[in-house]
Amino acid sequence: QSALTQPPSASGSPGQSVAISCTGTSSDVGGHNYVSWYQQHPGKAPRLIIYEVSKRPSGVPDRFSGSKSGNTASLTVSGLQAEDEADYYCSSYAGSNNFEVFGGGTKLTVL
Amino acid sequence: QITLKESGPTLVKPTQNLTLTCTFSGFSFTTSGVGVGWIRQPPGKALEWLALIYWDDDKRYTPSLKSRLTITKDTSESQVVLTMTNMGPVDTATYYCAHRLSGTSWLYWGQGNLVTVSS
Repeated sequence: QSALTQPPSASGSPGQSVAISCTGTSSDVGGHNYVSWYQQHPGKAPRLIIYEVSKRPSGVPDRFSGSKSGNTASLTVSGLQAEDEADYYCSSYAGSNNFEVFGGGTKLTVL
Repeated sequence: QITLKESGPTLVKPTQNLTLTCTFSGFSFTTSGVGVGWIRQPPGKALEWLALIYWDDDKRYTPSLKSRLTITKDTSESQVVLTMTNMGPVDTATYYCAHRLSGTSWLYWGQGNLVTVSS
């Protein structure tokens, strides 16, 4: 059982927006601004798409955005494209003892 | 250009120890703030962070596996080594090494090394 809770699946049609939630506790998501999101296509290594809650690494389209409210972080993918179909994982800094925790992953399907 | 590559066995027997090496280029542990970590992913399952080593040799481990993990670095060889003792079937996974961007975000990843634990 993963430390952070994500919905197992999400879906949307091309051009639509979809949001994926990531729920933790005050010890991880709620207590630090170090939430990251990763995109993973089958057979590939994860790709960092959001870090520090809402920042995008160079080269990541601005269709991907991140936010946080309380103990829940969210990834929003706007203007869905076929290539966005992938697994998405959140992670958070969890303090000096646990250090880092991941979510269970969300499979995003583009209908 | 930053690259990382994992190397090590693809098959280990139960109770054996696993040693994985991450060889990287494009950065150095002589730079303040640099960190390299290990993350694993069982087939069809979620990512799990395992360990991190910083430029100053500070180390962090996931609590549930701390007693079985050791992470070390060789600055001159640009390598990070992860050792996991007493491997079992539940440790079957793809093991990734990655370069830390900030906090606990991993920007650059290796291709992964699938390790199967089976007799």
